[in-house]
Amino acid sequence: GEDVEQSLFLSVREGDSSVINCTYTDSSSTYLYWYKQEPGAGLQLLTYIFSNMDMKQDQRLTVLLNKKDKHLSLRIADTQTGDSAIYFCAERGGATNKLIFGTGTLLAVQP
Amino acid sequence: EAGVAQSPRYKIIEKRQSVAFWCNPISGHATLYWYQQILGQGPKLLIQFQNNGVVDDSQLPKDRFSAERLKGVDSTLKIQPAKLEDSAVYLCASSSGLAGGNRWETQYFGPGTRLLVL
Repeated sequence: GEDVEQSLFLSVREGDSSVINCTYTDSSSTYLYWYKQEPGAGLQLLTYIFSNMDMKQDQRLTVLLNKKDKHLSLRIADTQTGDSAIYFCAERGGATNKLIFGTGTLLAVQP
Repeated sequence: EAGVAQSPRYKIIEKRQSVAFWCNPISGHATLYWYQQILGQGPKLLIQFQNNGVVDDSQLPKDRFSAERLKGVDSTLKIQPAKLEDSAVYLCASSSGLAGGNRWETQYFGPGTRLLVL
């Protein structure tokens, strides 16, 4: 079956790097995504990676994909207080081709 | 470009009552999704429309939930009768629908409707 897991909470200091991890079970996933959800708001797509890539960089964001271990990570460089939010990873593809979301990681940035 | 609009933003009802949510997708988007997000969990897809046809409603509790998109634009999601466990945020999303099922296609999310069932 399809299952996506994340750690629940991460706390960092402003200016440090944050690394949010995610594991998934569906080896046929085609795309993997990172979404950001601020309090009371909908989900905002941050970045995505295709399953034949192992890294993607977009400004302060770096996505690493280890397909063998089914492990995805999101690194945020120079983390700011405005980065405080819940971050969801999601996979797409396989039998259903719909988005399967993880449980979300709450990132708290301390000034 | 206007985003996905949802209303109401908040709703409080008693169990066994009925409730309806409304979604207006981004103009021109053919695909519309309804997700349920229970507190502390990630969103779960309830139903996906392509224009006015249902693509996937496998996780929709059809004994109490219904959804329609009659003209292929706006959509309504209804719960009748509501249960305590239906308390959640109901998110609507849309995508262009041009890429079909085999290519990346961004889903744009609305702000959600927060439902509390007492």
